[in-house]
Amino acid sequence: NAGVMQNPRHLVRRRGQEARLRCSPMKGHSHVYWYRQLPEEGLKFMVYLQKENIIDESGMPKERFSAEFPKEGPSILRIQQVVRGDSAAYFCASSPGRETSGAGAYEQYFGPGTRLTVT
Amino acid sequence: AQKVTQAQTEISVVEKEDVTLDCVYETRDTTYYLFWYKQPPSGELVFLIRRNSFDEQNEISGRYSWNFQKSTSSFNFTITASQVVDSAVYFCALTPGYSSASKIIFGSGTRLSIRP
Repeated sequence: NAGVMQNPRHLVRRRGQEARLRCSPMKGHSHVYWYRQLPEEGLKFMVYLQKENIIDESGMPKERFSAEFPKEGPSILRIQQVVRGDSAAYFCASSPGRETSGAGAYEQYFGPGTRLTVT
Repeated sequence: AQKVTQAQTEISVVEKEDVTLDCVYETRDTTYYLFWYKQPPSGELVFLIRRNSFDEQNEISGRYSWNFQKSTSSFNFTITASQVVDSAVYFCALTPGYSSASKIIFGSGTRLSIRP
């Protein structure tokens, strides 16, 4: 069973461009979380999504950031008009959203992260 | 409010020494989960342990051990006979156990350097 996949692993954008980060959850997982890790800091929650629904976006910046998790396909974190301060590692996690053997319903499994650099 | 505090920003020890990473948490929930993650220089997050709030038994896994004390809201992590490969940033984290919107609250991390 493949783990959480994120692509690209590294992304370089110039100021003002758009960044699109993709997250494919583990097979059978219907819940996705996005976290941001600024340099030398811990991870900070951004948004929690289920298929076609945003459940909690309390950690999302009010402007330029959006996230979706369509019925088909990966979850997308989109950053418009990137600025240098957006440079960070963005981690995605997925959970089954229901009880599975040996794990809680909301046990989160992390992907390898996407490192965004804004020049 | 929920919060995780890792007061030690950086620790450096010589190989084979024991080292303890401190973690103090704040929550009003009676049901919650605590975690430790390791982030090696390669950058990925490696899950180490999850402990629920009803289980205060200490846990040992090889050279790793965890001491959970609800009375002091602490969940400390000890590495015995440290090795150079243990060099990484270690994060303590907390999540409520009652809600489906179980975002994880991370501490700021402790950077551990093991010198040969």
